[in-house]
Amino acid sequence: AQRVTQPEKLLSVFKGAPVELKCNYSYSGSPELFWYVQYSRQRLQLLLRHISRESIKGFTADLNKGETSFHLKKPFAQEEDSAMYYCALSGSRDDKIIFGKGTRLHILP
Amino acid sequence: DTGVSQDPRHKITKRGQNVTFRCDPISEHNRLYWYRQTLGQGPEFLTYFQNEAQLEKSRLLSDRFSAERPKGSFSTLEIQRTEQGDSAMYLCASSLGVQGAGTEAFFGQGTRLTVV
Repeated sequence: AQRVTQPEKLLSVFKGAPVELKCNYSYSGSPELFWYVQYSRQRLQLLLRHISRESIKGFTADLNKGETSFHLKKPFAQEEDSAMYYCALSGSRDDKIIFGKGTRLHILP
Repeated sequence: DTGVSQDPRHKITKRGQNVTFRCDPISEHNRLYWYRQTLGQGPEFLTYFQNEAQLEKSRLLSDRFSAERPKGSFSTLEIQRTEQGDSAMYLCASSLGVQGAGTEAFFGQGTRLTVV
């Protein structure tokens, strides 16, 4: 069964400190992994996809198939990074997108 | 095209009433998704369409829920005989999907349902 697990409901980090949001997944096949972000009073939007291998707003994420993880990282947190972050998975067989429960990132001044 | 739009934004209904929500996706998008989100939870998959074909409906979804996308454009989600547990944010998303290759989903603002 497809499953996305985000173990932290809330992560508080000081401005300038490194950030790591954890995501583990379960899928018997080749998944596509995403990170979505929701800023206050805005709609859910894509932050980055593993297939693109790009850095968006200083965030990167590497797919580790051995550990079935897709952790989101940023070396230096900024106050505008405060938001809800959702890890998501899309399967190669059925393409539906399923989401984790989300982690609220709170950047402390 | 201003993106995915949902109507209404808010709906308050009495228990036992039927409600219908509408979603207008981005015009060229062939794939459309419905999700439900409650406080403190991530979007929970309900169903999705490829053009007018409904590809999957969540097994957790009661028979009171039905969705349509009659012409492969807009979609409606109907909840019959609403219950208090149906209170949630209902999200719609669309994407230009290619079978076997997930693509970015664009979300609407959601419809917040309150059942009293």
